[in-house]
Amino acid sequence: GAGVSQTPSNKVTEKGKYVELRCDPISGHTALYWYRQSLGQGPEFLIYFQGTGAADDSGLPNDRFFAVRPEGSVSTLKIQRTERGDSAVYLCASSLRTSANNEQFFGPGTRLTVL
Amino acid sequence: AQSVTQPDIHITVSEGASLELRCNYSYGATPYLFWYVQSPGQGLQLLLKYFSGDTLVQGIKGFEAEFKRSQSSFNLRKPSVHWSDAAEYFCAVGPAGNDMRFGAGTRLTVKP
Repeated sequence: GAGVSQTPSNKVTEKGKYVELRCDPISGHTALYWYRQSLGQGPEFLIYFQGTGAADDSGLPNDRFFAVRPEGSVSTLKIQRTERGDSAVYLCASSLRTSANNEQFFGPGTRLTVL
Repeated sequence: AQSVTQPDIHITVSEGASLELRCNYSYGATPYLFWYVQSPGQGLQLLLKYFSGDTLVQGIKGFEAEFKRSQSSFNLRKPSVHWSDAAEYFCAVGPAGNDMRFGAGTRLTVKP
């Protein structure tokens, strides 16, 4: 089937605005992850879901960031009052479940630019 | 705390030459180790992973990596590089379920 998809592929916004980034995981994958990749860096863990619930949100940088997965499939990462420092590529990944030997499959990312 | 260091930011090799990308990790328990490749506009793709057992791990696209506990290393190797291997390579450590820590990446350029 199709891989992980993310929309939009690019998002340009102004400082202070609200943005939503969408992730469609691979069908049947119960675990979903969000990462942020700043220029010249590796991906940085933000949050992961097992089903509908956020099992670990310890990577969210502050309370301007929030993510939901209401039906256990599609997830939306929401960023309020965006700042220039939020500019990065936001990656989504999914896996069959959150055990050690389950590969995470990554989407192509959403490039967010905050002007 | 777990962390990953990739000492080489950028490496250039000639097509057909051998390749070794370095990765050093810090982890309190037995690590789970991964190498991913990222091409422009593409998602991260898993090349190989180590959980336990044989310390020499074979991956896709002709890549292999060797886990050396005494050196806290998990270097990626390929005997003969192809032009299509040009990409960014990331080493990662930790449980696959969450909180996977990535290195900063090594950008590979392949000369014709």
